[in-house]
Amino acid sequence: GAGVSQSPSNKVTEKGKDVELRCDPISGHTALYWYRQSLGQGLEFLIYFQGNSAPDKSGLPSDRFSAERTGGSVSTLTIQRTQQEDSAVYLCASSPMGTGGAEAFFGQGTRLTVV
Amino acid sequence: AQSVTQPDIHITVSEGASLELRCNYSYGATPYLFWYVQSPGQGLQLLLKYFSGDTLVQGIKGFEAEFKRSQSSFNLRKPSVHWSDAAEYFCAVGAMAAGNKLTFGGGTRVLVKP
Repeated sequence: GAGVSQSPSNKVTEKGKDVELRCDPISGHTALYWYRQSLGQGLEFLIYFQGNSAPDKSGLPSDRFSAERTGGSVSTLTIQRTQQEDSAVYLCASSPMGTGGAEAFFGQGTRLTVV
Repeated sequence: AQSVTQPDIHITVSEGASLELRCNYSYGATPYLFWYVQSPGQGLQLLLKYFSGDTLVQGIKGFEAEFKRSQSSFNLRKPSVHWSDAAEYFCAVGAMAAGNKLTFGGGTRVLVKP
């Protein structure tokens, strides 16, 4: 079957605009993760979904960031009023049950550039 | 809270030589441990994982890793490196008790000399 799919692969946006990043996880995977990868910052955890609920949102850097997941499948990460420091690669991953019991499979990422 | 340390930011190795990447973790119980590889412009690919059982685990591309509880380590090794192994390698720990969050080390970038 298909792997984790993210769209768009690249996004250039103007400072102050809102952006939406999409993640299609592997079918049947109940756990979904968003990470951010910036130069010099490594891989930062943003949010974790189990089904449609998000038991851990501790990594969202500000209230400009939000995410939702519908139907236990597709997830959207929204960044409002983008800032230059939001420029990064945003990675989505899914897992059959969560990384306390199984590995996570990653998408190719969305490279966000805020100009 | 769980944490992962990869002490080496960069490693340069000659093609055909052996490679060892260090990983130390901090977690109160037995964690689930992973090594991922990221080639330039690519996502993360799982090399191997440790959940329980035999502490020496085999992965793809000829990699292996050994879990040493006494040293809180999960070092990655390859006996003979190929030029295609040039990439960034990430060690990670996941734990259900920690909310299933996957925590990554800072990564080690491997350069392979011909």
